[in-house]
Amino acid sequence: KQEVTQIPAALSVPEGENLVLNCSFTDSAIYNLQWFRQDPGKGLTSLLLIQSSQREQTSGRLNASLDKSSGRSTLYIAASQPGDSATYLCAVSSYSGGSNYKLTFGKGTLLTVNP
Amino acid sequence: KAGVTQTPRYLIKTRGQQVTLSCSPISGHRSVSWYQQTPGQGLQFLFEYFSETQRNKGNFPGRFSGRQFSNSRSEMNVSTLELGDSALYLCASSPGDSTEAFFGQGTRLTVV
Repeated sequence: KQEVTQIPAALSVPEGENLVLNCSFTDSAIYNLQWFRQDPGKGLTSLLLIQSSQREQTSGRLNASLDKSSGRSTLYIAASQPGDSATYLCAVSSYSGGSNYKLTFGKGTLLTVNP
Repeated sequence: KAGVTQTPRYLIKTRGQQVTLSCSPISGHRSVSWYQQTPGQGLQFLFEYFSETQRNKGNFPGRFSGRQFSNSRSEMNVSTLELGDSALYLCASSPGDSTEAFFGQGTRLTVV
């Protein structure tokens, strides 16, 4: 059974700081890993998708890496801003039953960027 | 291009009632998945539909059911509501397997 863990559970940083969020998963037989952002009471916004054959993906100030063999991914946020404050969720896509489209989520990291 | 649309956004129901939630995926997306989000359990997979067929189901009781129509729109139904069913229900759509998932804003269900 796939399990996803995110560390830390909460993080508070001053504006402008670079930061790293961590995600680990127990079963390395994944198809892809996706990072999401969730604002309070809202849905999920996709930030980055890394296919299992890829090592990293970049979008603006965000960079995500994937080490499938060790079951780890990191999300690097450069020059953090107060608008980055949100919960960040990591999810892996694993084969389950008749499809390979089942996402298993971590519990998330609550990020607060202080002005 | 319109995103994933979920209706209604908020619902308040009484224990024992039933409820139907709706999800319209992004145009051209054939896979629709449903997730339940609670503070204690986080995000948990309910089921996934592809071309009107349920391909996968999570570990939820039979009171939770769903379906997908020929236009890829999906509905989920919860019968005999319990207080513990109070949650944010999220729908995700994707073009197919191993592709990026796009989520709707969710339906906040409160059972009283």
